[in-house]
Amino acid sequence: DVKVTQSSRYLVKRTGEKVFLECVQDMDHENMFWYRQDPGLGLRLIYFSYDVKMKEKGDIPEGYSVSREKKERFSLILESASTNQTSMYLCASRGTSGGAYAYEQYFGPGTRLTVT
Amino acid sequence: GESVGLHLPTLSVQEGDNSIINCAYSNSASDYFIWYKQESGKGPQFIIDIRSNMDKRQGQRVTVLLNKTVKHLSLQIAATQPGDSAVYFCAERAGNNRKLIWGLGTSLAVNP
Repeated sequence: DVKVTQSSRYLVKRTGEKVFLECVQDMDHENMFWYRQDPGLGLRLIYFSYDVKMKEKGDIPEGYSVSREKKERFSLILESASTNQTSMYLCASRGTSGGAYAYEQYFGPGTRLTVT
Repeated sequence: GESVGLHLPTLSVQEGDNSIINCAYSNSASDYFIWYKQESGKGPQFIIDIRSNMDKRQGQRVTVLLNKTVKHLSLQIAATQPGDSAVYFCAERAGNNRKLIWGLGTSLAVNP
């Protein structure tokens, strides 16, 4: 079974702090994603990475950056946390072995971040 | 029971009934569609997918129907069980895009 783990289930940070959210997958997947999930807004893509050291902006990248130094690990960084970044953050990974239509993403359990 | 997605409505059904969850998509270029289930406190989990060259695909107790004419997707769950209670998301991919476009979700509540 594919396993995607996230470093914390719950996190409380203060405004202005630098925050690191870590995600690790164990299936040698090329693609990794960071989403945030807010009530009534569904899943919104922040950043994704299709290879080591490669990254691409999603729909809401402002206020975030990412790092992918190793294939299995994808980090989301909040340079200076703000209260409007309080949210559920979900990491996902996807392989490419199934070809263009293998779009199943495997999700971690999420990190609920509260910025006070 | 039947519902329309996009605004996180709640669909409430009796255990044993069939459920129909609907999703409207906007991009006529989308060629692949996928349904996810998210239980409380967990990340979304894949249920079933369908390519645009198909209009129906069946899994275990689930069927996805695609109507490209009206850009509509539905997920049918047969003999709904309490364990089916969750939020259901549809997602679409347009062409060669690496990203999925997600719907807002529909909450399914199963009454025993």
